[in-house]
Amino acid sequence: EAGVAQSPRYKIIEKRQSVAFWCNPISGHATLYWYQQILGQGPKLLIQFQNNGVVDDSQLPKDRFSAERLKGVDSTLKIQPAKLEDSAVYLCASSLAPGFNSPLHFGNGTRLTVT
Amino acid sequence: AQKITQTQPGMFVQEKEAVTLDCTYDTSDPSYGLFWYKQPSSGEMIFLIYQGSYDQQNATEGRYSLNFQKARKSANLVISASQLGDSAMYFCAMREGQTNAGKSTFGDGTTLTVKP
Repeated sequence: EAGVAQSPRYKIIEKRQSVAFWCNPISGHATLYWYQQILGQGPKLLIQFQNNGVVDDSQLPKDRFSAERLKGVDSTLKIQPAKLEDSAVYLCASSLAPGFNSPLHFGNGTRLTVT
Repeated sequence: AQKITQTQPGMFVQEKEAVTLDCTYDTSDPSYGLFWYKQPSSGEMIFLIYQGSYDQQNATEGRYSLNFQKARKSANLVISASQLGDSAMYFCAMREGQTNAGKSTFGDGTTLTVKP
């Protein structure tokens, strides 16, 4: 089966600019996640979707970050305006179900550098 | 409080030897799953092994096994017969069944270096 697709792989922007990341989960996976991974740290959940509804966005900085999942499939994460501290790898993951026994399948991530 | 704690920032192991990576967790949810992921320098997170809170036996997947000690809330990963390709960052993660909508919480990882 095809894995989780993410684009772009790399992005360099200046602070205060905007950026968008795209994710296509594994076919049939109802649950989709966006994680932020700062260098040397573990991934931190930004937002979790179940189909096209938001389950958890408690750690999403809503003043600058937004995410949507159209038709319960693809998802886009946007940052506007970007800050220096947003430099990180943004990982998209999907799982077959939200249950505690379902592993996450990750894409290759987008490495964002904000200058 | 930290939900997942990995106390070893870095570990070294000789090729062909076994190594144990430590993970302790904190939850009051009776239903939870524990996962280990590998992240090579290329950046992709790869699922390795899963242990459920109700599982009686320790999980094994090829050269990977999970030493699950429920009373101590620990879920250590054991890699047997280490290979050079095992050099990577390893993350322990937990999903809680009844709380937090099945959100996966990750530790800060352990960097494993396999020496030839």
